[in-house]
Amino acid sequence: DTGVSQDPRHKITKRGQNVTFRCDPISEHNRLYWYRQTLGQGPEFLTYFQNEAQLEKSRLLSDRFSAERPKGSFSTLEIQRTEQGDSAMYLCASSVGPGTPLFGSGTQLSVL
Amino acid sequence: EDKVVQSPLSLVVHEGDTVTLNCSYEVTNFRSLLWYKQEKKAPTFLFMLTSSGIEKKSGRLSSILDKKELSSILNITATQTGDSAIYLCAVATGGGSEKLVFGKGMKLTVNP
Repeated sequence: DTGVSQDPRHKITKRGQNVTFRCDPISEHNRLYWYRQTLGQGPEFLTYFQNEAQLEKSRLLSDRFSAERPKGSFSTLEIQRTEQGDSAMYLCASSVGPGTPLFGSGTQLSVL
Repeated sequence: EDKVVQSPLSLVVHEGDTVTLNCSYEVTNFRSLLWYKQEKKAPTFLFMLTSSGIEKKSGRLSSILDKKELSSILNITATQTGDSAIYLCAVATGGGSEKLVFGKGMKLTVNP
């Protein structure tokens, strides 16, 4: 499979715990994006990397959220001290330059 | 604040019907408009539109952008049950930002 890969597919956690998601973009895609989608809503932009540099962050990305792309390949999104409001689908997308972002299947997070 | 509005938000049709999905936008900077289909998890890319009045077609799907009216339509002819999905409209804002601003999505149900 040469698409965008996300792991895990599902994550159930208790409020207050930390969680980390991983995204492997399409090979050769230098841009990587994170979005969050809640039920009945479209995806909302969280952050964007070009290679290893994080170039844009939404104000939705509170201090509890951090994203990295250390070698310009895969990326991780960590949420510290999870809250019930963090329950959502976390989607990753990648593109070549300003081309069309292609999405992965997402990580569904449930915070109990 | 940048905004993308889709209508209707849901639609139920019979196989063979033709449907038209509407998307209007209000953004500070416009670079392109994109349509995605979301069946279970990953939004899959359908069309990217940058120029007004030029129709893009792929099989039974077609889309056109009207920059004067700040809107786009997605047409699906001879619908099939496999067209049942959520259709997402997004605007690439440019102007130093690489984010996509999404509408809430339109849930299409095609009954046999």
